[in-house]
Amino acid sequence: ETGVTQTPRHLVMGMTNKKSLKCEQHLGHNAMYWYKQSAKKPLELMFVYNFKEQTENNSVPSRFSPECPNSSHLFLHLHTLQPEDSALYLCASSQTGGFTDTQYFGPGTRLTVL
Amino acid sequence: GENVEQHPSTLSVQEGDSAVIKCTYSDSASNYFPWYKQELGKRPQLIIDIRSNVGEKKDQRIAVTLNKTAKHFSLHITETQPEDSAVYFCAASIKDNYGQNFVFGPGTRLSVLP
Repeated sequence: ETGVTQTPRHLVMGMTNKKSLKCEQHLGHNAMYWYKQSAKKPLELMFVYNFKEQTENNSVPSRFSPECPNSSHLFLHLHTLQPEDSALYLCASSQTGGFTDTQYFGPGTRLTVL
Repeated sequence: GENVEQHPSTLSVQEGDSAVIKCTYSDSASNYFPWYKQELGKRPQLIIDIRSNVGEKKDQRIAVTLNKTAKHFSLHITETQPEDSAVYFCAASIKDNYGQNFVFGPGTRLSVLP
């Protein structure tokens, strides 16, 4: 595997379910990101991890819970989501957490909340 | 690799006037161009984006134009207000062997004078 991978690619869940999204980067980077892309909206940065430490939480509701066990893996734990949380969730990584660092994106997980 | 240039590096306008920031990119394969606004002490936030199959996009006082042939795109802000003062970054997406990634311009510091 190369680059940034995400699983699952598609997920349908009910509002009472608990699920997790997984992201893995094979680039030796130290920073990882979660983004949300809703229909007809630009990317929204959700969380930033730099050297496994969370450095940014952009006022994301607590029903989204990130986890970064090491620099190569990033999870997004989901529970009691709302239908408006349906979106494409993108993971990205970069060498450092610097904003102008080139960010490499995964293919995304298309989430549908019923 | 992709190179994104941005001009001007600083821009001062009177409140109510228009502001234009221009970016050029080098990789003709780039197909997605977001613009970010970074206020003092805050992380950049995406404000508008455009895809390569569209020549212009507008959202209230903000518009972005794209010229694929010339490989440049511009941010237009009309009726500027003091709260528009910030650093603005453009970016271009490219795909390489590792997937899709973004390359950012160096930024433009916009000051709107009351």
